[in-house]
Amino acid sequence: LAKTTQPISMDSYEGQEVNITCSHNNIATNDYITWYQQFPSQGPRFIIQGYKTKVTNEVASLFIPADRKSSTLSLPRVSLSDTAVYYCLVGQTGANNLFFGTGTRLTVIP
Amino acid sequence: GAVVSQHPSRVICKSGTSVKIECRSLDFQATTMFWYRQFPKKSLMLMATSNEGSKATYEQGVEKDKFLINHASLTLSTLTVTSAHPEDSSFYICSASGPSGSRETQYFGPGTRLLVL
Repeated sequence: LAKTTQPISMDSYEGQEVNITCSHNNIATNDYITWYQQFPSQGPRFIIQGYKTKVTNEVASLFIPADRKSSTLSLPRVSLSDTAVYYCLVGQTGANNLFFGTGTRLTVIP
Repeated sequence: GAVVSQHPSRVICKSGTSVKIECRSLDFQATTMFWYRQFPKKSLMLMATSNEGSKATYEQGVEKDKFLINHASLTLSTLTVTSAHPEDSSFYICSASGPSGSRETQYFGPGTRLLVL
């Protein structure tokens, strides 16, 4: 399983763009990169998934360089409700287990 | 979208009793379900992987006799914490592998908070 490395914590003011970078040097050819958000006492919630280049949805963008050894989750104009832990996971879709790293604890400050 | 539920959402029990937690995929069939445990301010730790109709595969250090997992149908997996002790108090989260062609790797349940007194 490809392991991931993320910053332990980040602070940001409301309205700013937040970029969280994740390193996954041992990513395999068939692995996808998935980001989850977790609020206290809740299960993780899917944010975005990608394989290469750039993916954008209604809540975030995911940037993946050509070598796929890292990825960056971009949250545009964060609000207080975006305060949560963000996990970067690498693995194959479906029935394969995932490894949760430390995650990044994002605190949005008013 | 695919929804996974857990029941109960929280449970308090006395030391020595057994507690069963249910995980259901509500609108899809999940051949594989996963059980995680999470301690306060820590990351999720995979406990076991269960496939419908077969024995669960436990991660290193997880006692299979302590944490009994049953995956009797494509929509239900149960985790039973036997003879629970205070150190078993934790947040237990299940997930299910998504339907064929789904974008998400796994769909997570809302979690179950277990407190053993």
